[in-house]
Amino acid sequence: DSGVTQTPKHLITATGQRVTLRCSPRSGDLSVYWYQQSLDQGLQFLIQYYNGEERAKGNILERFSAQQFPDLHSELNLSSLELGDSALYFCASSVGGTPTHYGYTFGSGTRLTVV
Amino acid sequence: QKEVEQDPGPLSVPEGAIVSLNCTYSNSAFQYFMWYRQYSRKGPELLMYTYSSGNKEDGRFTAQVDKSSKYISLFIRDSQPSDSATYLCAPHLRGAQKLVFGQGTRLTINP
Repeated sequence: DSGVTQTPKHLITATGQRVTLRCSPRSGDLSVYWYQQSLDQGLQFLIQYYNGEERAKGNILERFSAQQFPDLHSELNLSSLELGDSALYFCASSVGGTPTHYGYTFGSGTRLTVV
Repeated sequence: QKEVEQDPGPLSVPEGAIVSLNCTYSNSAFQYFMWYRQYSRKGPELLMYTYSSGNKEDGRFTAQVDKSSKYISLFIRDSQPSDSATYLCAPHLRGAQKLVFGQGTRLTINP
């Protein structure tokens, strides 16, 4: 157990729907990073939050949004889902606002299937 | 040009073989070089990291960095079936906001 908790583990939904993925960072970590992993694209950075505030944005679609709550857990909202959004979504956490040479700690991911 | 390039494989070798996994990168400012291992249906986990050029050994694993050619390698000696996983390289610049990963090389060690 890495200490980073992601729920749900699996999600199957229809096109056009909206889903929420949840992440609880490792105890003491203030940063949460969201990544999308697909077979052809590898791990793609979506967005980072540090202590409740958005810190960095990657290739995140406008249909996607995220937030980090006062208890530091984070939610990634995906709306108007398309078949191409099917992927593994990972959350990672780190202590500070930027990753150190230890990188960060990943959760086990949420597998999203859009049908 | 992608910031980090990694041959996605797949790579299949017999048990006991020496495995060589490689990445190239474009940003000469990278200082730390990490290797993550990802088992099927799991999140990536840090395997080892090196700072600047040179070698670092950890058991059967050796990480090698050649900053002059922007080339990163991970060697696995006496490979075991339990080493079957996807290996991702992640060069990093201190203070950078995020890690950028290579696409990952899928490795299978056959008993």
